[in-house]
Amino acid sequence: AQKITQTQPGMFVQEKEAVTLDCTYDTSDPSYGLFWYKQPSSGEMIFLIYQGSYDQQNATEGRYSLNFQKARKSANLVISASQLGDSAMYFCAMREGTGGGADGLTFGKGTHLIIQP
Amino acid sequence: DGGITQSPKYLFRKEGQNVTLSCEQNLNHDAMYWYRQDPGQGLRLIYYSQIVNDFQKGDIAEGYSVSREKKESFPLTVTSAQKNPTAFYLCASRIFETGYRGELFFGEGSRLTVL
Repeated sequence: AQKITQTQPGMFVQEKEAVTLDCTYDTSDPSYGLFWYKQPSSGEMIFLIYQGSYDQQNATEGRYSLNFQKARKSANLVISASQLGDSAMYFCAMREGTGGGADGLTFGKGTHLIIQP
Repeated sequence: DGGITQSPKYLFRKEGQNVTLSCEQNLNHDAMYWYRQDPGQGLRLIYYSQIVNDFQKGDIAEGYSVSREKKESFPLTVTSAQKNPTAFYLCASRIFETGYRGELFFGEGSRLTVL
């Protein structure tokens, strides 16, 4: 079974509109972390935002916020006031455990976001 | 500036040849990782290393080998045993510390094409 599911392979959004990218996860570990990365066409992976499983409040970083619904096991990324430069692949990822192990992150298959002028 | 350097950026290989991808970091991170990215597949973990001279297989290690002789370096060899090596390869590192959020820092990637 997939641990990270991103159900939107591609999205088209008008510039300046808000965008919600979906992510659901599956883990039995009570301690975990959720991450969102942006990958422009150049290929580099850019870390956007982090949410810990015990965090009481939804994470925010500038125009990015994470809509964390623990009971539903969802961690949707919200981009406010989208810009042309937001066009990229977006990946949701998860770390299981407290971070004391060196295991890597598990990634979803990504959502290709295109912002239209 | 601190970061992760991957080389070469583009690499072409004939079938049956081994090829080594370089990954160097000056972030003083303990843990390093190699991921493979195929279109529509997301990133899949090949190998990771927590400390020098120690490394662990990830989900798709078959046909790959690594070494970790120095903290800064984690080269990946794609061997002739890898049946479908054409892909984009990403190296990453992170701070290894309990309680830290553990985001990965990535290099710019190496694109390998087998002719």
